[in-house]
Amino acid sequence: EAGVTQSPTHLIKTRGQQATLRCSPISGHTSVYWYQQALGLGLQFLLWYDEGEERNRGNFPPRFSGRQFPNYSSELNVNALELEDSALYLCASSSRQGLHTEAFFGQGTRLTVV
Amino acid sequence: AQKITQTQPGMFVQEKEAVTLDCTYDTSDPSYGLFWYKQPSSGEMIFLIYQGSYDQQNATEGRYSLNFQKARKSANLVISASQLGDSAMYFCAMREDNAGNMLTFGGGTRLMVKP
Repeated sequence: EAGVTQSPTHLIKTRGQQATLRCSPISGHTSVYWYQQALGLGLQFLLWYDEGEERNRGNFPPRFSGRQFPNYSSELNVNALELEDSALYLCASSSRQGLHTEAFFGQGTRLTVV
Repeated sequence: AQKITQTQPGMFVQEKEAVTLDCTYDTSDPSYGLFWYKQPSSGEMIFLIYQGSYDQQNATEGRYSLNFQKARKSANLVISASQLGDSAMYFCAMREDNAGNMLTFGGGTRLMVKP
């Protein structure tokens, strides 16, 4: 069974540009979570999607947005990139909300803003 | 207030010895779950072990065990018989049932295993 897959693995963008990151959850998982991990720091929650809807949002500006498609894959968009957006962006998926099931993570997209 | 606190930024352990990584948490939700993840230098987050707030026994998974002390709100990870491949960042995380399925992470502990 394929795990959570993220693309691209690495992304280099210029300040002010837009970045699009993609995530495919494990088959059967309906929830997708996005996290930002700046260098040397812990994971900060960004967004949670379930059944195509945004369920929760972390303390990030509106230029961080995303969506979930009917096949439960997800996209994270970052507009007007700033240097401090450089980080590892991790996507996770889980099977159902409200149950104590672990979230499985992808390998991440390392975004560098220059 | 921090929801998850890991007070050890870095730890050394001798190969084949046991090590305990500390984690304390703060929640008023009676139903929650506690997780430990390992992050090697590649960046991937690897799930290690889970403990539910209503579980009566401490969770164990192979060489990993979770020392769950509910009254003290601590969920320490114990790794027995450390191996060189255990060198990585370790993150404690919590999911509260009244906060959807969102995971809140601690700042992590870097474990270094010495040969």
